[in-house]
Amino acid sequence: DGGITQSPKYLFRKEGQNVTLSCEQNLNHDAMYWYRQDPGQGLRLIYYSQIVNDFQKGDIAEGYSVSREKKESFPLTVTSAQKNPTAFYLCAGSGGAGSGELFFGEGSRLTVL
Amino acid sequence: QKEVEQNSGPLSVPEGAIASLNCTYSDRVSQSFFWYRQYSGKSPELIMSIYSNGDKEDGRFTAQLNKASQYVSLLIRDSQPSDSATYLCAVNIQGGSNYKLTFGKGTLLTVNP
Repeated sequence: DGGITQSPKYLFRKEGQNVTLSCEQNLNHDAMYWYRQDPGQGLRLIYYSQIVNDFQKGDIAEGYSVSREKKESFPLTVTSAQKNPTAFYLCAGSGGAGSGELFFGEGSRLTVL
Repeated sequence: QKEVEQNSGPLSVPEGAIASLNCTYSDRVSQSFFWYRQYSGKSPELIMSIYSNGDKEDGRFTAQLNKASQYVSLLIRDSQPSDSATYLCAVNIQGGSNYKLTFGKGTLLTVNP
């Protein structure tokens, strides 16, 4: 089935460790996005990519990094520089750059111990 | 800072009633508007998009847009307990290379049997 697959669903890490969240899609979406959601909050954009080998910072990019080497893959690394990394991370794709019709993965819940 | 504002709720309605969810946005050049539904612990899913002033109906859902008042709403007719979720309003500014979709914090809707 077509969709966006995020892994892992749950992740625990110690302070000071980097962690990479995987996002893979088989929907042939050009654009992919990473959002962060905190309890009782809306979604905040971390990074987005409109085409392969190109990506742009969102509103809260500090402490995060991404790559887009393949159309199907858009991994997010949460670095030790991120001050408050515990959150629900959502990867999404859309059929075209500028489209707000996003299709989300199931999310990855990161807890820093 | 471009903002999207929603009443956080919770909004509680009896089964069969009309639920009305409201959203205002600050940027006059916004052109595309979206409503996403998010069940507790799950990822958001798109339920409505609207691009022109007026009403757009899809089954029990009606989106209403008034660009002059910078206001978009979602009506849910014949509300069902399965409609209980958080509803996120999202606004897109099209054009240029710096595309971003901005989300409100969401309104929690509870439909009581």
